[in-house]
Amino acid sequence: GAGVSQSPRYKVAKRGQDVALRCDPISGHVSLFWYQQALGQGPEFLTYFQNEAQLDKSGLPSDRFFAERPEGSVSTLKIQRTQQEDSAVYLCASSAQRGATYEQYFGPGTRLTVT
Amino acid sequence: AQKVTQAQTEISVVEKEDVTLDCVYETRDTTYYLFWYKQPPSGELVFLIRRNSFDEQNEISGRYSWNFQKSTSSFNFTITASQVVDSAVYFCALVTGNTDKLIFGTGTRLQVFP
Repeated sequence: GAGVSQSPRYKVAKRGQDVALRCDPISGHVSLFWYQQALGQGPEFLTYFQNEAQLDKSGLPSDRFFAERPEGSVSTLKIQRTQQEDSAVYLCASSAQRGATYEQYFGPGTRLTVT
Repeated sequence: AQKVTQAQTEISVVEKEDVTLDCVYETRDTTYYLFWYKQPPSGELVFLIRRNSFDEQNEISGRYSWNFQKSTSSFNFTITASQVVDSAVYFCALVTGNTDKLIFGTGTRLQVFP
């Protein structure tokens, strides 16, 4: 079956532009997570959805970051007025179980470069 | 606060050598879960193992084995007879039972040379 897919794979944005990153989780997975991975670092939690409900957004670094999952499947991470410090790989993961205590399946990530 | 430390930034070995990747974690919770993920050059993290805090039994899966020791807060990963395909960045991660945040270490880059 299909795994987690993310698009675009690469995105170059000029400082100040808005970007939207898409995640297609594995069909039927109730949990969806977004992570930010800076170069040479481990992924850092951004936000968690259980179906369409955003249960935890404590990792979003500023109010320029917004995520949604309106129908409980596809999710979009939006970054407004991008800054250079937003340059990173954004990873999406999904899980068949509720919460983060079970195996997560990761997508290939979107590499965002802000110039 | 929860924290995962992977002190080894990079390890290089020659094929067929055994290698151990260290992971030390910190948490005050009694219920927690530990994971290892592999990140090959393609970038997609691949799940390797999950262990809960009440199960200290070591596990072996083919050439992979894991040593969980609560007394030292460690969850180390050993690859026996390493192969070039094992080259990747390996992450140890922790989540406690009452949160939804998976906390990753900074990773250990393993290079296996032929």
